[in-house]
Amino acid sequence: DQQVKQNSPSLSVQEGRISILNCDYTNSMFDYFLWYKKYPAEGPTFLISISSIKDKNEDGRFTVFLNKSAKHLSLHIVPSQPGDSAVYFCALRNAGNMLTFGGGTRLMVKP
Amino acid sequence: NAGVTQTPKFQVLKTGQSMTLQCAQDMNHNSMYWYRQDPGMGLRLIYYSASEGTTDKGEVPNGYNVSRLNKREFSLRLESAAPSQTSVYFCASSGDRGREKLFFGSGTQLSVL
Repeated sequence: DQQVKQNSPSLSVQEGRISILNCDYTNSMFDYFLWYKKYPAEGPTFLISISSIKDKNEDGRFTVFLNKSAKHLSLHIVPSQPGDSAVYFCALRNAGNMLTFGGGTRLMVKP
Repeated sequence: NAGVTQTPKFQVLKTGQSMTLQCAQDMNHNSMYWYRQDPGMGLRLIYYSASEGTTDKGEVPNGYNVSRLNKREFSLRLESAAPSQTSVYFCASSGDRGREKLFFGSGTQLSVL
């Protein structure tokens, strides 16, 4: 039973519009939430994170929202650019300091 | 500026063959990890090493062994490869501060026939 789910395997967005990637979890013990970005033939790279004591964190075009009552995490990218086309993984940290990753969402930004 | 280096990038094995995946990091990180990535499954932790001389099982350790050779190097061994081990393998490392911010290698694509 997957504790972390990214229910959309893929997402297609027009350049300049907003991209919204979602992540749902079941374990309320997760205390730190991250997004990683992965290009083909490369390893994932850290993108943005949020602590459980916050509900929003912004870094340039990227904003992460956390809704603890709904156990829901989202990543907003605005405006989306073709270079944002990649696979995005949410990753959640538990008390043992280990990460549990979601299955990933492939984002395609069309010019 | 190498970061985390994995070798080989690609490997094809026959069922029952053995091999070792090599990983080295030059960031002086204490923690190192091995993950596998399968379609729709995200990244799953195979083994990790919180410091030189220690190793611990992750979520999917069966069929694998690891060695933390020194602070820089962490290898993953498949003693008798099985088709279920066909996957992309990633090595990662992290520092003591922000251990959740992992630095990944570029991966090894392994096919077991």
